[in-house]
Amino acid sequence: GESVGLHLPTLSVQEGDNSIINCAYSNSASDYFIWYKQESGKGPQFIIDIRSNMDKRQGQRVTVLLNKTVKHLSLQIAATQPGDSAVYFCAERDRGSTLGRLYFGRGTQLTVWP
Amino acid sequence: DADVTQTPRNRITKTGKRIMLECSQTKGHDRMYWYRQDPGLGLRLIYYSFDVKDINKGEISDGYSVSRQAQAKFSLSLESAIPNQTALYFCATSDPRQDYNEQFFGPGTRLTVL
Repeated sequence: GESVGLHLPTLSVQEGDNSIINCAYSNSASDYFIWYKQESGKGPQFIIDIRSNMDKRQGQRVTVLLNKTVKHLSLQIAATQPGDSAVYFCAERDRGSTLGRLYFGRGTQLTVWP
Repeated sequence: DADVTQTPRNRITKTGKRIMLECSQTKGHDRMYWYRQDPGLGLRLIYYSFDVKDINKGEISDGYSVSRQAQAKFSLSLESAIPNQTALYFCATSDPRQDYNEQFFGPGTRLTVL
């Protein structure tokens, strides 16, 4: 079955440094991946997505890399800021899913120190 | 204004009580979802709905029921609450017209069952 997990439950970085958050998945039928950010007391918020026919996608200060060979997804945050402190989830969608159902990882807590 | 709203935001109840959590959305999306989040775990799907006439069980539907009163409203009920249903509950929506469709989350309801 589908399995989405994260390599590290916590990550601490200094303000201004780059952050890399990793995610492993096991379902080779997954065709769409999303990174969500969840701040304390709030619901998950979309950050960036990537389709399985791509290996890299860039947003504002964020980059998602997809390595289908090893079933690995990463989120890179450039010049990390205190406001980036949150839990980050990856989610995947099975190509065979007709309703947009997503499977979520456990999340990584990112803490940014001034 | 928030696109996906949940009420109440916090609720404390006793074992055996019936509880209803409500979700409303102004995004015009047909698809709606209820998730549960526990500490250290990812989001787990309770129920989902394609449209007003469609209700489907997710991976952890036991002890829960739902009602899709209108396109914009999707309620989650705990018929007889028990302590292990203490968790953070999220409602989400998605647009089936998009091939790769992200889910939009509400702010969450924190439920405590004593």
